[in-house]
Amino acid sequence: NAGVTQTPKFRVLKTGQSMTLLCAQDMNHEYMYWYRQDPGMGLRLIHYSVGEGTTAKGEVPDGYNVSRLKKQNFLLGLESAAPSQTSVYFCAIAAGRYTGELFFGEGSRLTVL
Amino acid sequence: AQSVTQLDSQVPVFEEAPVELRCNYSSSVSVYLFWYVQYPNQGLQLLLKYLSGSTLVESINGFEAEFNKSQTSFHLRKPSVHISDTAEYFCAVSAPYNFNKFYFGSGTKLNVKP
Repeated sequence: NAGVTQTPKFRVLKTGQSMTLLCAQDMNHEYMYWYRQDPGMGLRLIHYSVGEGTTAKGEVPDGYNVSRLKKQNFLLGLESAAPSQTSVYFCAIAAGRYTGELFFGEGSRLTVL
Repeated sequence: AQSVTQLDSQVPVFEEAPVELRCNYSSSVSVYLFWYVQYPNQGLQLLLKYLSGSTLVESINGFEAEFNKSQTSFHLRKPSVHISDTAEYFCAVSAPYNFNKFYFGSGTKLNVKP
């Protein structure tokens, strides 16, 4: 998982609280993604970015916002956390259109009470 | 849109036995296919990939997968598993000209018993 760092690794929130997850990369890749992983459901794409200053919605964007002000950082925000957002969140990066590989961070485990 | 089906949520197997993890996808266009492995409390790591060319692809640790276009399958196989292969395996697909999006299967937990 070298090259993709997620912070924090663990967090417990109360319903209604807000927080931001940070994904930082040192590989100078253009594409960055936020996924959530839930048991039996694989990984589902929340939001993604194809370059600095750009973001787009994935499969399950509701309740989340993102920003990519700098190429190396991709932020995932929860404005008002809900128990349904209890999950493990993964950031991933990709070099470009034809390389065919995602590099993942180690994950951030979020529990919303 | 693409979708990926992994038919087996769990596969128990004894050490040194062969194993096959099944993956089927649906897509009307050409695709890239991947297998990722996730060890406990870690992120996903690429195991192998098919982009083009030979339909049989291999990993460095003895796994192989074969792209079968007519069956829309990309099953993962290993002739003899080790305890260290215990992990969760995810099949994924993306479209070559829509690389922004990967679609993952629900995962198969491989449990290798001594």
